[in-house]
Amino acid sequence: EAAVTQSPRNKVAVTGGKVTLSCNQTNNHNNMYWYRQDTGHGLRLIHYSYGAGSTEKGDIPDGYKASRPSQENFSLILELATPSQTSVYFCASGATNTGQLYFGEGSKLTVL
Amino acid sequence: GDSVTQTEGQVALSEEDFLTIHCNYSASGYPALFWYVQYPGEGPQFLFRASRDKEKGSSRGFEATYDKGTTSFHLRKASVQESDSAVYYCALGDRNNAGAKLTFGGGTRLTVRP
Repeated sequence: EAAVTQSPRNKVAVTGGKVTLSCNQTNNHNNMYWYRQDTGHGLRLIHYSYGAGSTEKGDIPDGYKASRPSQENFSLILELATPSQTSVYFCASGATNTGQLYFGEGSKLTVL
Repeated sequence: GDSVTQTEGQVALSEEDFLTIHCNYSASGYPALFWYVQYPGEGPQFLFRASRDKEKGSSRGFEATYDKGTTSFHLRKASVQESDSAVYYCALGDRNNAGAKLTFGGGTRLTVRP
């Protein structure tokens, strides 16, 4: 069974603080993604990766960094969190050329 | 850039009703098209895809036909059940590298009354 796990599942941060969201996949997929989900906007792509050591900007990368130290792990980093980054974040993995993504259960981030 | 528009933000039906959720896309080239479903408290799940004009994708009683002429990929189901209540997302990806990047629509929340 495909597995993507995210941590933490819930996080409360203060404005200006640093936040790291972590994602681990056991699917051995090359591609990994970070999306945020907001009412009225659906899922929007922040960063993605084709493999260890690579990161690519998605559609809304401003204010976010990403790190892919290994095939299994992909992190999303908010260096200076702002209230506008309050959202639910989803990590996903996917095999090349299928379009079938496997999503984690989401991480709810609240920035006060 | 590429975009996906789902006309209905919310749909409310009774069990055994017919479902249509409209999806239109705008993209250069010839994208692959997808439907995903998200149940409460879970991440989205792949439902099915289509890659060519007039190709039909289907799964779990849901179906959609790729229509390049009208740039549409409308989701349909003949008889919905309460268990179909969820958020449905239409998405597109580059046909030649469909796994690299998906662009999602705004989602449609389906509520089915028993």
